Amino acid sequence: TQLLEQSPQFLSIQEGENLTVYCNSSSVFSSLQWYRQEPGEGPVLLVTVVTGGEVKKLKRLTFQFGDARKDSSLHITAAQPGDTGLYLCAGAPAAGNKLTFGGGTRVLVKP
Amino acid sequence: DAGVTQSPTHLIKTRGQHVTLRCSPISGHKSVSWYQQVLGQGPQFIFQYYEKEERGRGNFPDRFSARQFPNYSSELNVNALLLGDSALYLCASSLGGQPQHFGDGTRLSIL
Repeated sequence: TQLLEQSPQFLSIQEGENLTVYCNSSSVFSSLQWYRQEPGEGPVLLVTVVTGGEVKKLKRLTFQFGDARKDSSLHITAAQPGDTGLYLCAGAPAAGNKLTFGGGTRVLVKP
Repeated sequence: DAGVTQSPTHLIKTRGQHVTLRCSPISGHKSVSWYQQVLGQGPQFIFQYYEKEERGRGNFPDRFSARQFPNYSSELNVNALLLGDSALYLCASSLGGQPQHFGDGTRLSIL
């Protein structure tokens, strides 16, 4: 059974601070996706990382896929209140569509 | 362009009843997957359908079933509802693999 563990579970920071969310597994994934989910809505795709060691930047968000494709991190620089939400990582297998999700990290950015 | 649409948005049922949830994928997407998200947790995979055939099933009891229609829309059926079935049911569509795009879900409450 593939499992993904996210840490921390909850993060509360002040506007302008940086934060990092971690996603770890003992399993290898073909790709890993990061989503943000707001109350009452479905997860919205932020990025997909495919290659071990890959780093992708999306404005103030930096995503990294581990060399062994077992772990990933999301770093937000100069967080803003609009970054508040539930961040979910999800690993995809080599075949099939089954996404294995982590438990999520709830981020609160206070103005 | 319309994203993934799900109906109804909210539903209240009592124990023992059955429920049908509906999903329309993004135009051109042939794969539909269903996930259950219990409050405070990440989504759990239930089913994947591609070209009207079941391509994957998660660890859910036989009370859960689904199907996909020729227009690629999908239904999720749950029989003999239990209190523990209360959750947000998410539908995701894709061209066939990753990434998957999610709808806003159906919030199911069991009394």
